[in-house]
Amino acid sequence: GNSVTQMEGPVTLSEEAFLTINCTYTATGYPSLFWYVQYPGEGLQLLLKATKADDKGSNKGFEATYRKETTSFHLEKGSVQVSDSAVYFCALRLPTGNQFYFGTGTSLTVIP
Amino acid sequence: GAVVSQHPSRVICKSGTSVKIECRSLDFQATTMFWYRQFPKQSLMLMATSNEGSKATYEQGVEKDKFLINHASLTLSTLTVTSAHPEDSSFYICSARDEGASEKLFFGSGTQLSVL
Repeated sequence: GNSVTQMEGPVTLSEEAFLTINCTYTATGYPSLFWYVQYPGEGLQLLLKATKADDKGSNKGFEATYRKETTSFHLEKGSVQVSDSAVYFCALRLPTGNQFYFGTGTSLTVIP
Repeated sequence: GAVVSQHPSRVICKSGTSVKIECRSLDFQATTMFWYRQFPKQSLMLMATSNEGSKATYEQGVEKDKFLINHASLTLSTLTVTSAHPEDSSFYICSARDEGASEKLFFGSGTQLSVL
């Protein structure tokens, strides 16, 4: 079946620390991969995406590379800020249809 | 960017009552909206796909008579949890697809339902 597994949180980091949130997936076909972020009190927002193998999505200093060989899409940021505190969701979308499959979400807290 | 408004953000109700959750696309028309549910420490799971002017498509294992979905206009979809029970307590979140922006799915802020 199709599924997304991401590292469990919560994750607490000091400001300017390096962030990695692991995400692996299982899917039929060639899915598109996404990272969504949910800030407190708000809806999920698209952070970045990649649509094919070896693509790198990037936004706001965050990056993730679509690795088909390891079925992974790990989220990284070199220097986190307090404003990055949020819940991060990894997701995939199959080539056909509108259905997304989400991970459990990882809560990140960045302390000054 | 596009905004999806979901209301209420939190609701507490007694067992046996019904609860309605609204999902509105504020600045775009959405022929398709989606309803998800998330239990603690579990993934967001798609419950149903709501299509404007037609019946919703439910995922396997989701009771359509319990979770009534109405998508009467291009900007509003509602989810009604009928005869709610404590096991229905969960985080419900809607999303809407902006047809004018490919791969763009916009989410509401979610509704935390607690059934006593």
